[in-house]
Amino acid sequence: AQTVTQSQPEMSVQEAETVTLSCTYDTSESNYYLFWYKQPPSRQMILVIRQEAYKQQNATENRFSVNFQKAAKSFSLKISDSQLGDTAMYFCAFMSYGNKLVFGAGTILRVKS
Amino acid sequence: EAQVTQNPRYLITVTGKKLTVTCSQNMNHEYMSWYRQDPGLGLRQIYYSMNVEVTDKGDVPEGYKVSRKEKRNFPLILESPSPNQTSLYFCASSFTSGNSYEQYFGPGTRLTVT
Repeated sequence: AQTVTQSQPEMSVQEAETVTLSCTYDTSESNYYLFWYKQPPSRQMILVIRQEAYKQQNATENRFSVNFQKAAKSFSLKISDSQLGDTAMYFCAFMSYGNKLVFGAGTILRVKS
Repeated sequence: EAQVTQNPRYLITVTGKKLTVTCSQNMNHEYMSWYRQDPGLGLRQIYYSMNVEVTDKGDVPEGYKVSRKEKRNFPLILESPSPNQTSLYFCASSFTSGNSYEQYFGPGTRLTVT
């Protein structure tokens, strides 16, 4: 069974600085997708960024980028120029066949002014 | 507007009183799923459906039932709720083929069972 591990329960960063959230996963599949979701206090699940395992190039979305290391089964999220609105719970998630998402336990990120 | 809706958003109930949480999507998605979110555990899949009349268990199905009689609706039924089902519940939907695999989530339902 696939598992996703987020080893940082909580992190904090100063506004305008850069922070990296860690995620590792375990799977025997070769074709899969990885996601980072943001959950602000409103509890809504918001897709931040996604990565297809067959793509070697790391995905980027504005201030958000990933470092995808397929051999190491690592998928970290880098947030540049952190903003107060980035304060949220962040979930790393894995999906292979059948559309099932497997989530990590989450990392609470606090951006301080 | 493309969306997944859930009702109710908040519910406090007592042990053993049957309840249903509704989920509806307007994107013609084949796939629908229910997750529960608990502190320290992330989101875990309860049940899913690949299409109308096709449902299957996820990782934590005990104490729950689902049905998929129409493509747009996927209700979650708790026939005899217990306190360990107190949780935040999310419904999600997506296509099952092509490149449109992104799952769209509902706003969540906070359930408290006393």
